[in-house]
Formats: sequence, C-alpha cells, structure tokens
Amino acid sequence: QLQLQESGPGLVNPSETLSLTCTVSGGSISSSYYYWGWIRQPPGKGLEWIGSIYYSGSTYYNPSLKSRVTISVDSSKNQFSLKLSSVTAADTAVYYCARHRAGGSYPTDYWGQGTLVTVSS
Amino acid sequence: DIQMTQSPSSLSASVGDRVTITCQASQDISNYLNWYQQKPGKAPKLLIYDASNLETGVPSRFSGSGSGTDFTFTISGLQPEDFATYYCQQYDNLPQITFGGGTKVEIK
Repeated sequence: QLQLQESGPGLVNPSETLSLTCTVSGGSISSSYYYWGWIRQPPGKGLEWIGSIYYSGSTYYNPSLKSRVTISVDSSKNQFSLKLSSVTAADTAVYYCARHRAGGSYPTDYWGQGTLVTVSS
Repeated sequence: DIQMTQSPSSLSASVGDRVTITCQASQDISNYLNWYQQKPGKAPKLLIYDASNLETGVPSRFSGSGSGTDFTFTISGLQPEDFATYYCQQYDNLPQITFGGGTKVEIK
C-alpha cells in the first residue's frame, strides 16, 4: 500500500522559506506512470495546487506561485520536496503531498495526511 | 488560466436523497475533470476521474457526467457517511491543476 508522509517545520517566520519533504513508501517515485505534487489548503478554505514534478525532474508550477516555488525530487531517498520562499501569513495552510496518475485528467489518487504550516513570528 | 465554478457552495439534504453538484469550466476541458470527497481533518479522496469513471473501491451511488465546460456529480441515495465537502478539479496543459470552490453537504 502506497503511503506518503510530509515532514518539516510547523512554524515559519514571515519572509523566510518554507521547506517540506514528502517520503514515499510502498512504491517507487521513479515510476513513469505518476507525477508527484504539492497541494495546500488554508484553514477553513478550499484546495490550491502548488506544483508537481516528474521523476525525471520536470516541474510544473501554479502560475500564481511560480516565482516563489521550487519542487525537487531525490529518487535515491524516494522523496520529493517543496520550497516556498518569502512566505507571509497568507501561506499558512495544511500542505499535502500527493500522487497524480499520468494521463487523462491526472487524477490525484494518493495523498499524505497533511501537515499544518503556520507563518508567524 | 481556466476557472472552475462549482455550485452550490453548500446544501442541506437528508439520508436517501439524491444530491447533484455542478462544476463549470471557463473553457473547454474535454473530460479532464475529477471529483473528490473531503471529511474534516482528512485528506481529500478521489471518487470520480475523467469526468465519469468511478475510482476503484468507491460505491456506485457516486457518479459523474459531462464534457466540455459543464459537469455534474451525483450521489444517488445519500448515506450518513457521505456528509462531507466535495471538490471538482480540472487538469490542462500538463499539468496545470485547478480546484473548484467546494460544496459542503450537510444534514437537513
């Protein structure tokens, strides 16, 4: 059974960089059948796609966040990571890592449990 | 960018009711639309992919239809465990992903 687990600080200072890692177990991140992504949800609000990465390293970002986002993959550790720079209170959210099936509508079929990141001094 | 308009934003229904949620895309997205269920404190769960395909293990009372710009999600015979928030999600240009605003299904 595939599992995804987010890890990283739960509190980040304004203007600093948010860094999260997703560890994938029960399957290989290097499969050509999947993309790996980050999605966030501010408290009490809806879902926002941040970006996704293919095992080859090709990345795709939400245009509204593109200037601040970097997603990378470490196949040797079966992990992928998110960095979001210059954070503000508006970046406070539950951050999910997830798997998208390649092809068609790229459905997101596996999700991590989510981790709350609060931006505050 | 493609915008997704989901309606209603909330609804009240009783166990056994038929519930319908719609999602409209700002431009043609073919059948590149998925539906998710989210319960409080939990990650979303994929229910329907490619507009009308039922994800493995999902009960058949859930269904989806539509193509182009107009899509419908239906629960035929609402069960107590179905009270949750539902989201549509579109994909375009490999992969740019946008979610609808969500529909909260509450107990009447």
